Amino acid sequence: KNEVEQSPQNLTAQEGEFITINCSYSVGISALHWLQQHPGGGIVSLFMLSSGKKKHGRLIATINIQEKHSSLHITASHPRDSAVYICAVGTNFGNEKLTFGTGTRLTIIP
Amino acid sequence: KAGVTQTPRYLIKTRGQQVTLSCSPISGHRSVSWYQQTPGQGLQFLFEYFSETQRNKGNFPGRFSGRQFSNSRSEMNVSTLELGDSALYLCASSLDRPSYNEQFFGPGTRLTVL
Repeated sequence: KNEVEQSPQNLTAQEGEFITINCSYSVGISALHWLQQHPGGGIVSLFMLSSGKKKHGRLIATINIQEKHSSLHITASHPRDSAVYICAVGTNFGNEKLTFGTGTRLTIIP
Repeated sequence: KAGVTQTPRYLIKTRGQQVTLSCSPISGHRSVSWYQQTPGQGLQFLFEYFSETQRNKGNFPGRFSGRQFSNSRSEMNVSTLELGDSALYLCASSLDRPSYNEQFFGPGTRLTVL
């Protein structure tokens, strides 16, 4: 079982829909990161959180430490939101590193 | 503030050769991490450098090595290239420990091994 599981793997939605991407992890973490990767490879950090909820524009990230679960929400989705969204957890027990989920490919249709 | 830069952006090598990739972090960032991204394995951590010292290392063979200079610029080297080393290599910089500091990623170097 992977340490970081994301769902769904692929998501296609109509413009304007509310989007939810889920991330579950099985290890103790220091923080959880949500990343966005556009075609061509560039990765942008969207959020880093260790508790509660963060909001930036139309993006909202939440984390439940007890349940080892995080969600990324996109409100009023737009075709420019089409990208791969990657969840990563930071662990610092012994060997510190980021461990990544396999990503969710989001396609927003106009 | 300039972002993270990586050179070269594209590279084609043949099996058995070696390659050196370069990463210049954001000014003031002392931590540089390297990652390999492949379609099959996704993103995987290679190693992290801080103040010229390798602080953490992923599960990669010894053919993968790196170093960091006093100005925080970092290089990674892959010797005796194999076909399976074809990947996008990304570096990321942060103020300190990557597990709980925002990571700023470079555009990546796409390596093709023939």
